[in-house]
Amino acid sequence: QQQVKQSPQSLIVQKGGISIINCAYENTAFDYFPWYQQFPGKGPALLIAIRPDVSEKKEGRFTISFNKSAKQFSLHIMDSQPGDSATYFCAASRRGQGAQKLVFGQGTRLTINP
Amino acid sequence: DSGVTQTPKHLITATGQRVTLRCSPRSGDLSVYWYQQSLDQGLQFLIQYYNGEERAKGNILERFSAQQFPDLHSELNLSSLELGDSALYFCASSVVGNSANTIYFGEGSWLTVV
Repeated sequence: QQQVKQSPQSLIVQKGGISIINCAYENTAFDYFPWYQQFPGKGPALLIAIRPDVSEKKEGRFTISFNKSAKQFSLHIMDSQPGDSATYFCAASRRGQGAQKLVFGQGTRLTINP
Repeated sequence: DSGVTQTPKHLITATGQRVTLRCSPRSGDLSVYWYQQSLDQGLQFLIQYYNGEERAKGNILERFSAQQFPDLHSELNLSSLELGDSALYFCASSVVGNSANTIYFGEGSWLTVV
């Protein structure tokens, strides 16, 4: 059972545009929602993360919007650049006994056309 | 560079064989995680260790085992390998093991079973 559903699977955006990737989760016990960026041949790298007590977090061109009642969160990339072309993963984890299991979405391959 | 070091980077082996993947966490990180990334299953959590002790288990097969040594490096042992075990195996680390810790991923070990 997939606990975090991510869409779209792939996304093409023009340079300067806004890229939007959406995720939905099922487990209301999740309390940490990070986004990871992965380039070919590299491991995932943390981009930005949010806790459920806030509805939005912004870091530079990257913004997470969080809707607790709808159990959804999304990543917005403003002024998208060709260097943003990568695979993006949303994830979620829950607090518990000193453990952290990240449950990942299936990933979105983002292509920014110059 | 995340600071997490994995060896080997690539490995080709035959079905039925056993391999060991090695991971050195970032300096100062006490928690080590193993993830499997495949096209059909995406990024799946396998297991977490904290300061030498197992903290959490995910979808890890019984043919797989891991351990974290006193110097905090970790090894993932994969035995009786099957074609379906071909995947990218990531090691990751964090300072502690609780929710909301930033988890840093290595560049992965590509395993091909033929």
